Amino acid sequence: AQRVTQPEKLLSVFKGAPVELKCNYSYSGSPELFWYVQYSRQRLQLLLRHISRESIKGFTADLNKGETSFHLKKPFAQEEDSAMYYCALSGRDSGYSTLTFGKGTMLLVSP
Amino acid sequence: DAGVTQSPTHLIKTRGQQVTLRCSPKSGHDTVSWYQQALGQGPQFIFQYYEEEERQRGNFPDRFSGHQFPNYSSELNVNALLLGDSALYLCASRGNRQEKLFFGSGTQLSVL
Repeated sequence: AQRVTQPEKLLSVFKGAPVELKCNYSYSGSPELFWYVQYSRQRLQLLLRHISRESIKGFTADLNKGETSFHLKKPFAQEEDSAMYYCALSGRDSGYSTLTFGKGTMLLVSP
Repeated sequence: DAGVTQSPTHLIKTRGQQVTLRCSPKSGHDTVSWYQQALGQGPQFIFQYYEEEERQRGNFPDRFSGHQFPNYSSELNVNALLLGDSALYLCASRGNRQEKLFFGSGTQLSVL
């Protein structure tokens, strides 16, 4: 069975501090990993995918297959980064077409 | 383009009743998925429709059923509602061969 674990419900940092949102997964195979974000009063939207290897809004995430992790990082947090972040996994058994989400981490960035 | 639209936004039902939620996908998208998000949880996959057929299904009982119409819009039906069915129901769409999902704002269902 596939599973995504986000150990922190809430992460509170000050503006300018580094941020790391943790995500660990369980999947017997090669999954695709995603980070989704939900800003206040907005809908859930894709932030980044591991296969894109891109930086979005200063965020990066590296897939570590040895540690089965996909942590989201940003060197300097901004107040506008405050949001709910969900790590998600897609696997071959679903044709990479469905997502298994973690429970989410609320990021609060204080001035 | 309004993106993925869902109706209604809020709904209150009582135990044992039946409910129908509706979703219109983003323009150009032909694949619709439904997710249930309970309070404090991440979204959980219910099922996916493509070409008017259910293609994938998550771990949900048969009380949850769906339909996709020729215009790609979709309905989620839940029979014999339980208190535990109270949740935010999200619809997501994508084009065929596209992996990026676009989510709607959801329907908040409360079962009393």
